[in-house]
Amino acid sequence: NAGVTQTPKFRVLKTGQSMTLLCAQDMNHEYMYWYRQDPGMGLRLIHYSVGEGTTAKGEVPDGYNVSRLKKQNFLLGLESAAPSQTSVYFCASSYLQGHQPQHFGDGTRLSIL
Amino acid sequence: EDKVVQSPLSLVVHEGDTVTLNCSYEVTNFRSLLWYKQEKKAPTFLFMLTSSGIEKKSGRLSSILDKKELFSILNITATQTGDSAIYLCAVDRGSTLGRLYFGRGTQLTVWP
Repeated sequence: NAGVTQTPKFRVLKTGQSMTLLCAQDMNHEYMYWYRQDPGMGLRLIHYSVGEGTTAKGEVPDGYNVSRLKKQNFLLGLESAAPSQTSVYFCASSYLQGHQPQHFGDGTRLSIL
Repeated sequence: EDKVVQSPLSLVVHEGDTVTLNCSYEVTNFRSLLWYKQEKKAPTFLFMLTSSGIEKKSGRLSSILDKKELFSILNITATQTGDSAIYLCAVDRGSTLGRLYFGRGTQLTVWP
């Protein structure tokens, strides 16, 4: 069981570069989420999606874009990376029906120099 | 503004000790409270609490919710070094499509 898979696991970028983080889930979950985790800050929601083709902003969306072209994939993009975006990024997914917990990927550690 | 506050932020104990982690919340349209354990990587689900006074239990871990006083506790008895982790509390507001609001977490360190 793969569950929620994030790629890449680590990445170092220079300020101004762009990149895309990929999240893939094989549990047929409708909902998907991107969080960032900074020391002492807990998990903060960046963007989320309630189904294929739909996205919405979370608490800290500035500087990020997302797309959900396929139900199983949720992409997080940084168009022009800034040092303030240095963080660990987690993807999560959950079912629409019923009251189910979110399942998390192992995270992507991103450093912006 | 919605708040989820965890205490203490860090805790160091010895194996065999019992610990109590706290989570208080102020949110509108409360639906449930969740506890996660985070070791090196992904947070892993522990408990989901929706009703007051009903204890959830899994081995040495247990948790209970008080919806009147707006808090939850997570108890770990006979701690082991493998319990060392960050414990995250999160609240689901039913009106916001499954979004979770996380506290800052409690860093638990268990010494042998």
